[in-house]
Amino acid sequence: DGGITQSPKYLFRKEGQNVTLSCEQNLNHDAMYWYRQDPGQGLRLIYYSQIVNDFQKGDIAEGYSVSREKKESFPLTVTSAQKNPTAFYLCASSIVSGASTEAFFGQGTRLTVV
Amino acid sequence: AQSVTQPDIHITVSEGASLELRCNYSYGATPYLFWYVQSPGQGLQLLLKYFSGDTLVQGIKGFEAEFKRSQSSFNLRKPSVHWSDAAEYFCAVGLMIYNQGGKLIFGQGTELSVKP
Repeated sequence: DGGITQSPKYLFRKEGQNVTLSCEQNLNHDAMYWYRQDPGQGLRLIYYSQIVNDFQKGDIAEGYSVSREKKESFPLTVTSAQKNPTAFYLCASSIVSGASTEAFFGQGTRLTVV
Repeated sequence: AQSVTQPDIHITVSEGASLELRCNYSYGATPYLFWYVQSPGQGLQLLLKYFSGDTLVQGIKGFEAEFKRSQSSFNLRKPSVHWSDAAEYFCAVGLMIYNQGGKLIFGQGTELSVKP
């Protein structure tokens, strides 16, 4: 089945540690996105990538980093510089990067700092 | 700046009653508009989208939405709500940023509860 796979579903991190969230898609989509979701704030864009080896900062990129070495993969690293990393993280992809293209979402990763 | 506002954080309706979820946007040009639904702890699923043409669009699960340019609104409706419709609903605007590609801007979400 085609889709977007995020792993792990739940992740616990100690303060001061970096942690990487995985996102893989087999939809052959060019564009991929990372969103952060907090209660009452909707989804906020962290980073997005139009094509391989290219990515752009979203609205809340500070404390995060990404790479796009393969079309299928867009991992997100939450660094120790992110002061409040506890949140639900959603990865998405779309056929192309455009205003009218529908985004398909993964099931999310819930990150908790302990 | 472009933005999306969903004025209602939480709505409760009785099963079988009609539903309307509000969405207002701030955008200079004709927007690309979307409604997504999210079940607890899950990703988002597209309900419907509007790009151009007929301002009343039909979606999945019996939902529809009407684009009103004069009111900068894109409200979601359903004639008769089912208990399985309980979820969080997000309105979004699709934007194209010069030299950076497209992205979705989401509203804050409306949580729908359904009473038996």
